[in-house]
Amino acid sequence: GAGVSQSPSNKVTEKGKDVELRCDPISGHTALYWYRQRLGQGLEFLIYFQGNSAPDKSGLPSDRFSAERTGESVSTLTIQRTQQEDSAVYLCASSLQPGLGNNEQFFGPGTRLTVL
Amino acid sequence: DAKTTQPTSMDCAEGRAANLPCNHSTISGNEYVYWYRQIHSQGPQYIIHGLKNNETNEMASLIITEDRKSSTLILPHATLRDTAVYYCIVGGKSTFGDGTTLTVKP
Repeated sequence: GAGVSQSPSNKVTEKGKDVELRCDPISGHTALYWYRQRLGQGLEFLIYFQGNSAPDKSGLPSDRFSAERTGESVSTLTIQRTQQEDSAVYLCASSLQPGLGNNEQFFGPGTRLTVL
Repeated sequence: DAKTTQPTSMDCAEGRAANLPCNHSTISGNEYVYWYRQIHSQGPQYIIHGLKNNETNEMASLIITEDRKSSTLILPHATLRDTAVYYCIVGGKSTFGDGTTLTVKP
């Protein structure tokens, strides 16, 4: 594909509802990352997928957060029972090969989540 | 992945070189240094990366110290469009931290 795409671009939800955020990585990219960016802050690593390996979930802030990836394609980040502190931009990135010297990440435009 | 330290903000005059420092004193021998920038309301954009040799591409130059504990990103002729937050990260998956807000002034 032309680039990493994410949907929806904006999501407004009520506290306590579940939300699903989607990421379509660049075709052929084996690695996929999810980040969270709160207003005025840097990117907080959430989760990393690489091929068929077990995902690195070390950045997920609570068990309300989960993510799945089908093969080397689409990924979905799910937030259950949303809280107001979950309000942020959620960014997805993919990279071609996760070798140490070939880990240039291509980012999507993000999904802006607002929890009322 | 090693952590990095960057100044919170920097100013640069349009047309002059912008030199953005990054400390990564706990970097391990096989970790690369990556630089990205984020222009307001957009996703981060890759700039350059390196291991131990200095690197240059069409966007910038990267100078890495011999001990690899710090690096400097150089934008040789900064323009107003280079105003952004610049992130230095080490290795692969990392929290990006708060980066350096570079403001290029006319």
